Amino acid sequence: EAQVTQNPRYLITVTGKKLTVTCSQNMNHEYMSWYRQDPGLGLRQIYYSMNVEVTDKGDVPEGYKVSRKEKRNFPLILESPSPNQTSLYFCASSFGGTYGYTFGSGTRLTVV
Amino acid sequence: DQQVKQNSPSLSVQEGRISILNCDYTNSMFDYFLWYKKYPAEGPTFLISISSIKDKNEDGRFTVFLNKSAKHLSLHIVPSQPGDSAVYFCGGLIYSGAGSYQLTFGKGTKLSVIP
Repeated sequence: EAQVTQNPRYLITVTGKKLTVTCSQNMNHEYMSWYRQDPGLGLRQIYYSMNVEVTDKGDVPEGYKVSRKEKRNFPLILESPSPNQTSLYFCASSFGGTYGYTFGSGTRLTVV
Repeated sequence: DQQVKQNSPSLSVQEGRISILNCDYTNSMFDYFLWYKKYPAEGPTFLISISSIKDKNEDGRFTVFLNKSAKHLSLHIVPSQPGDSAVYFCGGLIYSGAGSYQLTFGKGTKLSVIP
């Protein structure tokens, strides 16, 4: 089944403790992206990657890092999480161009 | 500056009637517009798209209309069904170089279809 898989689905952590949210897609998509969804703010892009070893900042990149060492994986790294990063995170992938995006099921992160 | 705007946070419609979800945009460089539907605890799923050179695209009960002069698009759902109750996100695709496009979303509109 074609899908985008994010792990974990739920995570509670403490301020300052480094964490990684994994994202993997099995559709051979070149384009991958991370979004966060917050009440009243909709979906905002954090980082995106157009291909292996090519990443770029989205609208809200502060406090996040990403890497794209392989085509299928695009992990989101929070080196020192803070409470304002408590949010619902979505990974998405696409062939690029004007194709629709496939989203993962989301990761609900709480930073206390 | 928000380039894609959904000014109605919520909308309630009776089952069987038409639902109209609106979206405005400020960037005339958008090449495509997409609508996504999102249920609670799930990721958004692609619903329908429209090219900026078209003014209408239809797919079953879903039709998207684009008015470029007004920088406005709308999603019509006819007839509305209770299963359509979800948050709908409008997104604009803009070319970002090297054959890739960037997708920018509005804040979403929560549609409730009342049986």
